[in-house]
Amino acid sequence: EPEVTQTPSHQVTQMGQEVILRCVPISNHLYFYWYRQILGQKVEFLVSFYNNEISEKSEIFDDQFSVERPDGSNFTLKIRSTKLEDSAMYFCASSKGGLGNNEQFFGPGTRLTVL
Amino acid sequence: ILNVEQSPQSLHVQEGDSTNFTCSFPSSNFYALHWYRWETAKSPEALFVMTLNGDEKKKGRISATLNTKEGYSYLYIKGSQPEDSATYLCAFYNTDKLIFGTGTRLQVFP
Repeated sequence: EPEVTQTPSHQVTQMGQEVILRCVPISNHLYFYWYRQILGQKVEFLVSFYNNEISEKSEIFDDQFSVERPDGSNFTLKIRSTKLEDSAMYFCASSKGGLGNNEQFFGPGTRLTVL
Repeated sequence: ILNVEQSPQSLHVQEGDSTNFTCSFPSSNFYALHWYRWETAKSPEALFVMTLNGDEKKKGRISATLNTKEGYSYLYIKGSQPEDSATYLCAFYNTDKLIFGTGTRLQVFP
C-alpha cells in the first residue's frame, strides 16, 4: 500500500542552523501539508501546498519557514535559522483532493531537536 | 480563533467494554470533520471524513456520528480490544487546513 515517507526520522541541530526536512508524498496525490506537534501540545497546521504554490499557511509559518516541491516527488520544509522553540515532531501529509471530502495520509514524522 | 475540544482527555476500559468520546467544534461555516487513530510510534491514520449533518459512518467496530448544528461528533468503539489502544484525534476542516483537538488517549486492558 502506498505511504508517505519522511527523512530523517530524527534531526538534531544547533540553534541558528538551517534544516531541511524531506517528505515523499503518495505519488498520485495533489495536496501536501506540513504539521508539527510540540511535546504535550496539539498537532498544529503549518502550511498547505497545491499546484506548486502555498494555498494556506498558519501564523507559525513565518519568514523562517519555506516549502518546496523541487522535482515532482519530494516535498521539503526548510527552517532557515532554527530556534529552541522549533523543537517538535514534524509531520508531512498528502491527499488526493481537498480535505473537504478526502482523507489525508500522514508520514511517520521527523523529530527535530534544536540545542 | 477556531477551537476544537475533545473529551475525555484519557480513558481506561476493560477488553469487551464499549466506549465513546466527544469532539466539539465551531458550528458555523462547517465543511468537514476528520477522525484519526494514532498509535504510539506510528503515523495518524484516517478513520472518517464526515461532511453532512446527521452523518453516521462505520468501520468495523468503530462508528462516528456528526451534529453540525450543535457542533459535536461522537466516536464509538463497540467491544473494545487491546489493539484499539491509541490516541483518537478529531480535526475540523477550515479553508485548506485542519485544526486538531488535543485527542483522547484510550487504553484497553485485557
